[in-house]
Amino acid sequence: GENVEQHPSTLSVQEGDSAVIKCTYSDSASNYFPWYKQELGKRPQLIIDIRSNVGEKKDQRIAVTLNKTAKHFSLHITETQPEDSAVYFCAASNDYKLSFGAGTTVTVRA
Amino acid sequence: KAGVTQTPRYLIKTRGQQVTLSCSPISGHRSVSWYQQTPGQGLQFLFEYFSETQRNKGNFPGRFSGRQFSNSRSEMNVSTLELGDSALYLCASSLLGGTSGYSYNEQFFGPGTRLTVL
Repeated sequence: GENVEQHPSTLSVQEGDSAVIKCTYSDSASNYFPWYKQELGKRPQLIIDIRSNVGEKKDQRIAVTLNKTAKHFSLHITETQPEDSAVYFCAASNDYKLSFGAGTTVTVRA
Repeated sequence: KAGVTQTPRYLIKTRGQQVTLSCSPISGHRSVSWYQQTPGQGLQFLFEYFSETQRNKGNFPGRFSGRQFSNSRSEMNVSTLELGDSALYLCASSLLGGTSGYSYNEQFFGPGTRLTVL
């Protein structure tokens, strides 16, 4: 089955700096890669997603890149703000099933 | 539009008991997936249902089962509870979930059911 690895497990950044989270996947048939943000005590919420036929996608301060050849994808958050502090999960989908990474706890220092 | 709801929100059970959790998807959503979330293992896929059919199952023992009703509401059952079953159980619904559409449909998560096994 699909195996998704996510790094780093924790990330501390100064407010205003950038944060980068990287994920690798094992199943070359995976074709959809969402990123979820989970704030403490809340449910995961989709923040951005990318399909296998696209290499990069941006939404304001958030961007995701996908390298299908290397089977890895990354989340980039620019100009980080305190409200970006949360756990971020990457995931890969191969129809009917989402496989999640272990999560990255991001802390933005004021 | 109302979001995904789960009941109950909290449960305390003892080892050996069984439990049933319920998930009501967003109106019109036909696909419901279940996940187990623990601090050490992250989000683990349990199973996914579409139009009352289980289409995929994760690597969990047979004690974990589920079903979906004609109104798309779903239940999951855990029998013979073990201490290690203590976790947050999340369900998520998505709009279509067909063979060509599933991968491109956002999953909306419910608030989860916090299960504690003593």
